[in-house]
Amino acid sequence: ETGVTQTPRHLVMGMTNKKSLKCEQHLGHNAMYWYKQSAKKPLELMFVYNFKEQTENNSVPSRFSPECPNSSHLFLHLHTLQPEDSALYLCASSQGGGEADTQYFGPGTRLTVL
Amino acid sequence: GQQLNQSPQSMFIQEGEDVSMNCTSSSIFNTWLWYKQDPGEGPVLLIALYKAGELTSNGRLTAQFGITRKDSFLNISASIPSDVGIYFCAGAGGTSYGKLTFGQGTILTVHP
Repeated sequence: ETGVTQTPRHLVMGMTNKKSLKCEQHLGHNAMYWYKQSAKKPLELMFVYNFKEQTENNSVPSRFSPECPNSSHLFLHLHTLQPEDSALYLCASSQGGGEADTQYFGPGTRLTVL
Repeated sequence: GQQLNQSPQSMFIQEGEDVSMNCTSSSIFNTWLWYKQDPGEGPVLLIALYKAGELTSNGRLTAQFGITRKDSFLNISASIPSDVGIYFCAGAGGTSYGKLTFGQGTILTVHP
């Protein structure tokens, strides 16, 4: 399944580093999402973009900064992270604009903050 | 906020057995989705249900959208070792416009 791709797949960074996660969808969708998945916790929605506009920020700390330059690409810029930010970060996309869109996920980026 | 109660939390079965898991909610959804997640990977969509009462199959998988719109179940018939993974239900629509609400997941282990 290559509908939604994420890079890198694994990332180790120090607390003072700046890095970015990239997501690209090849499904012609208009909505994109960032989720955080920590061990033994449900998926946590972080950000939602519909037609390149941010429509949801789920009280995410400012050390996470999303960017959506077009409907196919989504970035998550990371700076001065904390060890508790270590998790699997998942990107998803959906058709967009709908009440109950079906979301398709990428493979995730496993982030470790030292 | 909305919550989904998914059960069981884990299952240990023998290859060839059938599996059943379900999700219940305190509020209604307009869409029910079932995903499977392998370790270190993203969830993969298995079945999407869009209509109350709908029964849909995908190979050995069968899922139903409860008529009350507050529940759904997933059945796997004749399990095989590659069925191992975490299965998530998710509800969309209703009062959670444009967002998915996920269950806690069911960890499935299949013994050969």
